[in-house]
Amino acid sequence: NAGVTQTPKFQVLKTGQSMTLQCAQDMNHNSMYWYRQDPGMGLRLIYYSASEGTTDKGEVPNGYNVSRLNKREFSLRLESAAPSQTSVYFCASSDFKPNGKKTQYFGPGTRLLVL
Amino acid sequence: AQKITQTQPGMFVQEKEAVTLDCTYDTSDPSYGLFWYKQPSSGEMIFLIYQGSYDQQNATEGRYSLNFQKARKSANLVISASQLGDSAMYFCAMRGSNTGNQFYFGTGTSLTVIP
Repeated sequence: NAGVTQTPKFQVLKTGQSMTLQCAQDMNHNSMYWYRQDPGMGLRLIYYSASEGTTDKGEVPNGYNVSRLNKREFSLRLESAAPSQTSVYFCASSDFKPNGKKTQYFGPGTRLLVL
Repeated sequence: AQKITQTQPGMFVQEKEAVTLDCTYDTSDPSYGLFWYKQPSSGEMIFLIYQGSYDQQNATEGRYSLNFQKARKSANLVISASQLGDSAMYFCAMRGSNTGNQFYFGTGTSLTVIP
């Protein structure tokens, strides 16, 4: 049971290049999320997927696209990277425990530097 | 609009003592959920505890408890019997019923446990 996995762990891009961040979870969770974390700040939601086949914008969606490929996988794409997208990106999944409490798990993060 | 405020940028606590990390929130949603996360220096994000706005009792998870005061719109995290491994950034977050699965995070509190 690996939880939430993300690839790659580190990436350096030049302005204008594109890339896709991959995320997968093996906990059969319905909801998945992409966040970014900038220095000295909390997380900001980029996109989320409440269930397979649905995606919705979060607080900071501009410059990003997502795909919920299946229940396990949720990818984040930067079509034309900009220096302002330099950040640490976290993928997460969430669902409810048998006791009705919500829980959430995060991947290890991807550190992205755009030059 | 949803807003989470953490007014303590840094806190110190003696090992084995209890510490309270403050969180206040603002929302007009009739129901909502409150979350606390821990982020060690290694960078991963760890979910700690969840409180639903209609839960009758304050949430507890091991050494973590949430002091939920709905009228004051506060959701403070209490860590009992602090350990050196508790040194980390702690983030408070909220999810409202009218914002789907969106999460809103505070800016965090840095906790240092002193031996």
